[in-house]
Amino acid sequence: AQRVTQPEKLLSVFKGAPVELKCNYSYSGSPELFWYVQYSRQRLQLLLRHISRESIKGFTADLNKGETSFHLKKPFAQEEDSAMYYCALSSGSRLTFGEGTQLTVNP
Amino acid sequence: NAGVMQNPRHLVRRRGQEARLRCSPMKGHSHVYWYRQLPEEGLKFMVYLQKENIIDESGMPKERFSAEFPKEGPSILRIQQVVRGDSAAYFCASSPGDRGPSNQPQHFGDGTRLSIL
Repeated sequence: AQRVTQPEKLLSVFKGAPVELKCNYSYSGSPELFWYVQYSRQRLQLLLRHISRESIKGFTADLNKGETSFHLKKPFAQEEDSAMYYCALSSGSRLTFGEGTQLTVNP
Repeated sequence: NAGVMQNPRHLVRRRGQEARLRCSPMKGHSHVYWYRQLPEEGLKFMVYLQKENIIDESGMPKERFSAEFPKEGPSILRIQQVVRGDSAAYFCASSPGDRGPSNQPQHFGDGTRLSIL
């Protein structure tokens, strides 16, 4: 069975500091991984997916199959990055979500 | 494109009543997914539907819960004889589905917050 783990429920950094939100997964097949973000009072929205290898809003995430990780990184955090971040794994018809990490970027 | 529309945003029911949650997918999307988020937890998959078909309902509780996506109109998640433990946020997502669901990012609605008194 697939599983996604986000070990940190809360993460607080200062503006301009690097940030890394951790995500580990377990899945027997070839995974497709996503990061979703939910800003305050907004709906869940797709931030990035590993197959596109894009950088969105300065965030990147690299799939490491050896470590079964898909950590989300940004070199210089901004206050507007404060939000709830969910890592998710797609297996056919469903997304399996981690429990989320609440990121707070302090001024 | 208004995106995925869910209504109502908030729904209050007493124990034993029925709750109906509606979801209109994005224009052009034919695949609908329902997820439930209990307090302090992540989103959990419930059911995946295409028009007039339930494709995967492995995440649905065996009793009291049902879902449909008729040919015309929104998808409905129905909870009969609600109990306190049904209090949660219920999210709907949709995808185009023309290349298979695993290749399509899902777009989410704002959710319905169900409270059981």
